[in-house]
Amino acid sequence: EPEVTQTPSHQVTQMGQEVILRCVPISNHLYFYWYRQILGQKVEFLVSFYNNEISEKSEIFDDQFSVERPDGSNFTLKIRSTKLEDSAMYFCASNGRGRYGYTFGSGTRLTVV
Amino acid sequence: RKEVEQDPGPFNVPEGATVAFNCTYSNSASQSFFWYRQDCRKEPKLLMSVYSSGNEDGRFTAQLNRASQYISLLIRDSKLSDSATYLCVVTKPSGGSYIPTFGRGTSLIVHP
Repeated sequence: EPEVTQTPSHQVTQMGQEVILRCVPISNHLYFYWYRQILGQKVEFLVSFYNNEISEKSEIFDDQFSVERPDGSNFTLKIRSTKLEDSAMYFCASNGRGRYGYTFGSGTRLTVV
Repeated sequence: RKEVEQDPGPFNVPEGATVAFNCTYSNSASQSFFWYRQDCRKEPKLLMSVYSSGNEDGRFTAQLNRASQYISLLIRDSKLSDSATYLCVVTKPSGGSYIPTFGRGTSLIVHP
């Protein structure tokens, strides 16, 4: 079964540092998403990406965040200057038709110290 | 009103029991509906899509009531392995695509 792959599985970073979270979506999928889940809380939408541009973003996705699809396979989320409250699980998801069957990666656990 | 609302539980049931979860959503333009399962510190995994006519997959039955903006999941003959958090997911249209929006989840604990 096709998978969404995320690396690293766990990243510890110092406050103020930049981090890049990486995702390899399913190869024939067209829609890509980043979500985050703070421990004990709900899964929150960050951003969606289609046709090499952001199609929607939430109020969480401020100027500190950016996304890229640099090479046609990777999909990255960059946090420019991490804050303690950025500590969370970050999930990448992809979808082939824009409606059905959203597949999630196993997540990157980001810990900001 | 929250976009997607679920009773957080936990629902604590014995093996073999039947348990039902409910979910309501606020956006009447929502297009697609799903139940996902999430184990502790793992990613959400698709359990089943929910169709207007209702659908069944083994021990799991999902129902959708668009008029009431309400979705349900019924689990029959609960197994220990069903213990997890069940996430109601609703997609809303946005900019030509659809954004999956999650409820907070309902926790299920199945005990021997």
